[in-house]
Amino acid sequence: NAGVTQTPKFQVLKTGQSMTLQCAQDMNHEYMSWYRQDPGMGLRLIHYSVGAGITDQGEVPNGYNVSRSTTEDFPLRLLSAAPSQTSVYFCASSSTGTGSYEQYFGPGTRLTVT
Amino acid sequence: GESVGLHLPTLSVQEGDNSIINCAYSNSASDYFIWYKQESGKGPQFIIDIRSNMDKRQGQRVTVLLNKTVKHLSLQIAATQPGDSAVYFCAENIRGYSTLTFGKGTMLLVSP
Repeated sequence: NAGVTQTPKFQVLKTGQSMTLQCAQDMNHEYMSWYRQDPGMGLRLIHYSVGAGITDQGEVPNGYNVSRSTTEDFPLRLLSAAPSQTSVYFCASSSTGTGSYEQYFGPGTRLTVT
Repeated sequence: GESVGLHLPTLSVQEGDNSIINCAYSNSASDYFIWYKQESGKGPQFIIDIRSNMDKRQGQRVTVLLNKTVKHLSLQIAATQPGDSAVYFCAENIRGYSTLTFGKGTMLLVSP
């Protein structure tokens, strides 16, 4: 299993540009989520999904959109990038049926908005 | 430990020492807790978890202690090694909810 994969690893955007961060998992996990991590901070939840076709907002959803058309993929869209969105983005997945909430994380995408 | 601005609390130890990393959680309804390790440039990795009906759980070289009275978690690492150097996060979950809430993290530095 590849686990959770994210692309790209690094990205530089200009203010106002849009882009999609890709996330995929091959563990057939129902739950997927996106976090951002800023220097000296923990992970803050942006959006999450408990299954295909179902998404919900986390702690910091503004400026981001998500969709979940398949179990495997959970892309994160930045609609109009702002310097405040400079951060490292992590995607995670977990199985909701085991009674454990352990989340498996991808390697992250480092985004800089100038 | 609590985060202060942009600076993570840091624990510096010598190789071979035992390390204790502390975490205060926020919600008395939380019933599941996880410790994650994050090495530089990587995503968080699971270390150990504990449910609220337990006070202590042991893994390989790691022990998690839970004190529900004061809403406090600790992670003990025995015989700390340079490869243990990383940022350690605690996370909490409330029964019935899928989401984890993460603490701000503690940096562990292990000197040879």
